[in-house]
Amino acid sequence: DAGITQSPRHKVTETGTPVTLRCHQTENHRYMYWYRQDPGHGLRLIHYSYGVKDTDKGEVSDGYSVSRSKTEDFLLTLESATSSQTSVYFCATQRGAGTDTQYFGPGTRLTVL
Amino acid sequence: AQSVTQLGSHVSVSEGALVLLRCNYSSSVPPYLFWYVQYPNQGLQLLLKYTSAATLVKGINGFEAEFKKSETSFHLTKPSAHMSDAAEYFCAVNDNNNDMRFGAGTRLTVKP
Repeated sequence: DAGITQSPRHKVTETGTPVTLRCHQTENHRYMYWYRQDPGHGLRLIHYSYGVKDTDKGEVSDGYSVSRSKTEDFLLTLESATSSQTSVYFCATQRGAGTDTQYFGPGTRLTVL
Repeated sequence: AQSVTQLGSHVSVSEGALVLLRCNYSSSVPPYLFWYVQYPNQGLQLLLKYTSAATLVKGINGFEAEFKKSETSFHLTKPSAHMSDAAEYFCAVNDNNNDMRFGAGTRLTVKP
């Protein structure tokens, strides 16, 4: 398994505050992804990165931004958290394009009050 | 855009019984299909994937899935359920781009 860590693992914050979630990988995978998991929706892609400083939007990108300044780190930022962003967030990495296996981190449970 | 539909949000089987989790896909090009498993408070782990080779794909923990183009299906099966199989299972499709689409998930319960 790819060495993927996410921090923090749990966070409670208030509406309107900025929040940054971090994903760190040790496998030198090129692609990194941020998903959110909500009951009844499975996982939905927020943003992904295909290289350092190269990112693109996913299915549910509104209200989120990302940055990747190093291969190993992919940050997800909620500029002004809302209650609708309460969710479990998963980071995933993938060595190559398309059909390569995605490896998932342990997740971050975010609660926005 | 590609999508998957998992039929049944909850499936319950007895230990030793057949496990059948259903997945139908929609894709405009030959798809790549995946099954992932998620145990409580963990991330997803790959069970198996179909990438246009053999239509019957064998995965870990005794699971397998068959790609049926005519039925646009990729159902997951296991001949004999174990208690340790209790988890949530996700089907996913990828059209060889970077936009993997997941189904809503099926929670499998195994009764002793």
